[in-house]
Amino acid sequence: SQTIHQWPATLVQPVGSPLSLECTVEGTSNPNLYWYRQAAGRGLQLLFYSVGIGQISSEVPQNLSASRPQDRQFILSSKKLLLSDSGFYLCAAGWGQGIYEQYFGPGTRLTVT
Amino acid sequence: TQLLEQSPQFLSIQEGENLTVYCNSSSVFSSLQWYRQEPGEGPVLLVTVVTGGEVKKLKRLTFQFGDARKDSSLHITAAQPGDTGLYLCAGGTDSSYKLIFGSGTRLLVRP
Repeated sequence: SQTIHQWPATLVQPVGSPLSLECTVEGTSNPNLYWYRQAAGRGLQLLFYSVGIGQISSEVPQNLSASRPQDRQFILSSKKLLLSDSGFYLCAAGWGQGIYEQYFGPGTRLTVT
Repeated sequence: TQLLEQSPQFLSIQEGENLTVYCNSSSVFSSLQWYRQEPGEGPVLLVTVVTGGEVKKLKRLTFQFGDARKDSSLHITAAQPGDTGLYLCAGGTDSSYKLIFGSGTRLLVRP
């Protein structure tokens, strides 16, 4: 079985401060990894995905960045947070292409003040 | 650009009633997933359908993939308060590592 860990669970940060959210995956190796952001009660916006170590694809231009230093580690970062960065951040892992499922972590609630 | 439209966006029903949630697209998908998400938690996969016309049942939940693999439905029989949550559909294609997510249907089942 696959387990996705995310931390921290909640975070309150002032505008202009840096950000680092971490996601780690237990289970099968070589996952595809994803960062999503979700507005309250709404669908998921894909931010970044990675199909291998050091390989990052960005979906939305913004002041966020992602890195994958290890096979099962995915990090979401920002040098300077904006108020609009507030939201619920979800990490997901999937294996394969086309016909596959994604498994989600518990999420991080980020509030930028 | 591939899109998945879910309807209704919000549904409030009484315990014991039946309901259907729809997920529609003009694009063909090779697979379609349904997830349920509770407040403050990550989405949990309910089912994956991959064959046109496929029907899968999970207790009181029935999932159907359209014959042309462009749409799907989720039917809940005799809804219970524990069914309350955000239901998301997501489609995958052979050419992509990404899933296309619908905007979600928020279901509230009142006791």
